[in-house]
Amino acid sequence: GQQVMQIPQYQHVQEGEDFTTYCNSSTTLSNIQWYKQRPGGHPVFLIQLVKSGEVKKQKRLTFQFGEAKKNSSLHITATQTTDVGTYFCAGYNAGNNRKLIWGLGTSLAVNP
Amino acid sequence: KAGVTQTPRYLIKTRGQQVTLSCSPISGHRSVSWYQQTPGQGLQFLFEYFSETQRNKGNFPGRFSGRQFSNSRSEMNVSTLELGDSALYLCASRGGVATNEKLFFGSGTQLSVL
Repeated sequence: GQQVMQIPQYQHVQEGEDFTTYCNSSTTLSNIQWYKQRPGGHPVFLIQLVKSGEVKKQKRLTFQFGEAKKNSSLHITATQTTDVGTYFCAGYNAGNNRKLIWGLGTSLAVNP
Repeated sequence: KAGVTQTPRYLIKTRGQQVTLSCSPISGHRSVSWYQQTPGQGLQFLFEYFSETQRNKGNFPGRFSGRQFSNSRSEMNVSTLELGDSALYLCASRGGVATNEKLFFGSGTQLSVL
């Protein structure tokens, strides 16, 4: 079945370092959504990308959607302790958009 | 506007029992999805309900069932509990079923099966 692979599974950085998580789908996606889950919390929507090659920024966060709409990335510049949490990507299959397919998430730890 | 409300917040059951979890979506939202979350396994999709009809189902055994009421509130039931059912169960609502609709999650029900 369709899968969305997300790497790395874990990332430990020093505060101020950059961080990137990648999502790769086995099939073309109609869109991709990113969510953040703080420790002990629930996933919270961050952003949605729809267009091929789309790039969106939210302060220190940069989100990209690949040209083929099969991969996406989230890059955080100069991480802060408030960035700690698990980042999930999720996308709809372009051919069957009834079910949201989730990556397993990347857990980010930041050393102050 | 109130967020997604899940009750109870914590639950402890023993093997073989059954459990019912409740989810009240954001007012006006007609879609409710349920997810199981365990460490390292991400979010496993259970099912989605829209206008009282099950729209999608994940790969879980028949012990897991759900329903949605006319006010969009949803319940999830797990019968004959197993130790492996211990998890955080998250409910998420959205206004409709278009792919650009983002999900709003509740705080979850932490289920422990002893």
